[in-house]
Amino acid sequence: EDQVTQSPEALRLQEGESSSLNCSYTVSGLRGLFWYRQDPGKGPEFLFTLYSAGEEKEKERLKATLTKKESFLHITAPKPEDSATYLCAVQSTSGTYKYIFGTGTRLKVLA
Amino acid sequence: SQTIHQWPATLVQPVGSPLSLECTVEGTSNPNLYWYRQAAGRGLQLLFYSVGIGQISSEVPQNLSASRPQDRQFILSSKKLLLSDSGFYLCAWSRTGGYSNTEAFFGQGTRLTVV
Repeated sequence: EDQVTQSPEALRLQEGESSSLNCSYTVSGLRGLFWYRQDPGKGPEFLFTLYSAGEEKEKERLKATLTKKESFLHITAPKPEDSATYLCAVQSTSGTYKYIFGTGTRLKVLA
Repeated sequence: SQTIHQWPATLVQPVGSPLSLECTVEGTSNPNLYWYRQAAGRGLQLLFYSVGIGQISSEVPQNLSASRPQDRQFILSSKKLLLSDSGFYLCAWSRTGGYSNTEAFFGQGTRLTVV
């Protein structure tokens, strides 16, 4: 069964303190791994898609990486506006087009 | 460009009342469509998905149903709401298979409170 586990559940950082969020996944065949940002009361906002091990994507202070078993979202010198819940999801090659989500990491960046 | 509309944004309904949430997508054709529910502080639970008109797959046995009467319209319904149906409901779309961009895009959600 496809499964996604995110850690930590919550993370508090000082402004400028870099860190990484983890997404471990189990899937029969990976079609794509996705990172989203979700602000309170809003729908998830798409950040990155990763397709194969070794791939990296960057956007401003965020960089996503992928191995065969996990993905990391690296946050460099975060700012308070980076505070949000970050969600990871996978889609398998099984042909069903379902997205399986983890429970997310709640990030709080303190000024 | 593609946009997704979901309404209403908030809804308070009594137990036993019916429910209809609507989602429409603009700027694309034959999208895959999804309904997710998110409990407070929890991840997204897939409820239904559809790869075409009239084609609905249910993921979780429950008090809800979904329909796709038109290519870019997805409706979530219930005949009689339960307290446990409260939550944040999200509609999403993605491109049909064969495209290299496979990510899903979400609406802004409906906060449903059953009282």
